[in-house]
Amino acid sequence: DVKVTQSSRYLVKRTGEKVFLECVQDMDHENMFWYRQDPGLGLRLIYFSYDVKMKEKGDIPEGYSVSREKKERFSLILESASTNQTSMYLCASSSFDRLNTEAFFGQGTRLTVV
Amino acid sequence: TQLLEQSPQFLSIQEGENLTVYCNSSSVFSSLQWYRQEPGEGPVLLVTVVTGGEVKKLKRLTFQFGDARKDSSLHITAAQPGDTGLYLCALFQKLVFGTGTRLLVSP
Repeated sequence: DVKVTQSSRYLVKRTGEKVFLECVQDMDHENMFWYRQDPGLGLRLIYFSYDVKMKEKGDIPEGYSVSREKKERFSLILESASTNQTSMYLCASSSFDRLNTEAFFGQGTRLTVV
Repeated sequence: TQLLEQSPQFLSIQEGENLTVYCNSSSVFSSLQWYRQEPGEGPVLLVTVVTGGEVKKLKRLTFQFGDARKDSSLHITAAQPGDTGLYLCALFQKLVFGTGTRLLVSP
């Protein structure tokens, strides 16, 4: 059974904290993605990565950074958490050929910044 | 960024009813995917439609890709409580998801 696993389902952090969201996939996929999901706004792409140590900005990268040191792991970093980063964060992976493939998602991390 | 608009945003129906949700874009796309997200989980792929006019069926779910390849619809026959969830259309090759239709089916 293929899996994308996010390290936490729920997190509560304080404003200004550095926050790490971890994602691991066991499908040997080249591509990994971080989205945030907010009511009425759908899924918005934060960052994605096509390969180890490679990253590309998505639509809303401000306030975030990412790290991909190993193929199976993609981390999202909130350098200094703010209340407007309270959201559901979804990690996904896919194989190299995105034209004929699907996104496999983790179960999501609901982050609350207080 | 290419936008996908979905309608309605929210739908609450009784078990046994039929429903249709829509996904529209101002641009032509080569293929489109539909995902379902159940509460507390990540989205899961239901279907990919590729050819204009294509119709695909998945049990009680019927997916249609518009002839002009700018729109798609999802029809559910005799909805059941297990159909409850968020339905998302996506142009995954462009990393774009629609805003979703949240469906609630009550017993």
